[in-house]
Amino acid sequence: DTAVSQTPKYLVTQMGNDKSIKCEQNLGHDTMYWYKQDSKKFLKIMFSYNNKELIINETVPNRFSPKSPDKAHLNLHINSLELGDSAVYFCASSQGGQYYGYTFGSGTRLTVV
Amino acid sequence: GQQLNQSPQSMFIQEGEDVSMNCTSSSIFNTWLWYKQEPGEGPVLLIALYKAGELTSNGRLTAQFGITRKDSFLNISASIPSDVGIYFCAGQRFGANSKLTFGKGITLSVRP
Repeated sequence: DTAVSQTPKYLVTQMGNDKSIKCEQNLGHDTMYWYKQDSKKFLKIMFSYNNKELIINETVPNRFSPKSPDKAHLNLHINSLELGDSAVYFCASSQGGQYYGYTFGSGTRLTVV
Repeated sequence: GQQLNQSPQSMFIQEGEDVSMNCTSSSIFNTWLWYKQEPGEGPVLLIALYKAGELTSNGRLTAQFGITRKDSFLNISASIPSDVGIYFCAGQRFGANSKLTFGKGITLSVRP
C-alpha cells in the first residue's frame, strides 16, 4: 500500500563504487523527483521527470544519472561515489502543477566510506 | 538559488503550549505548503495554501498565506508530544516545470 517506495533504505559503500537507488510510485502521478537532504536537513531538488521526460536538472554532477523506464519508476544511479555524496536521498511524486503537494518516499540513507 | 527563510533552527516548548512558525522569501510564490518530517521518514504534507490571504486549518494546525505572497506562517495549538519533528515550509510558482523550494526547517521539541 506504500504510495512512494524507495529501495534500499540504507546503503553503505566505499568511495569509487557505483550504486543505484530505486523508486516506484503507485499513485498514478505524472511527475517524479529526486531530492537530496544534507546533514543540516536542507532539502534540495536534484531532478524531475514528467512522463519519463527529464524536465529539471539542478546542476547535479554528471556522476548522477536518473533513469525513468516508465512514469511509475524513477531510479538514481551514482557513479564513482565520493564522501560528499553521503546524504539522505528522497524520491517524490506529484500530479503536476501547483495545486498538488508532493508525496515523498521514506528516503535512502547513503553513507560513503 | 531561491531560498525560503525559516528561523529559529530549533524550538523547545512545553506540552499544551501553542507555537507559531514563520517562513519568508525575497520573492513571490503562488503556492505555500507546510510539511512535517519525523525521524527516518520523508516529509509529509500538512497544509497547502493557494491564495494570498488564505487561512486554512487541519486539526490543531492553522496556516496562512501572506498577503504579499512572500511569507506564510504555521500555528500549532495545544501541542502534544507527537508534534515533535522538523517542520518545513515550501513554495512553488506557476508553470509546468515548477519545482518545490524548501526552507531549512525548524526542529520542534515538546517537553511533556
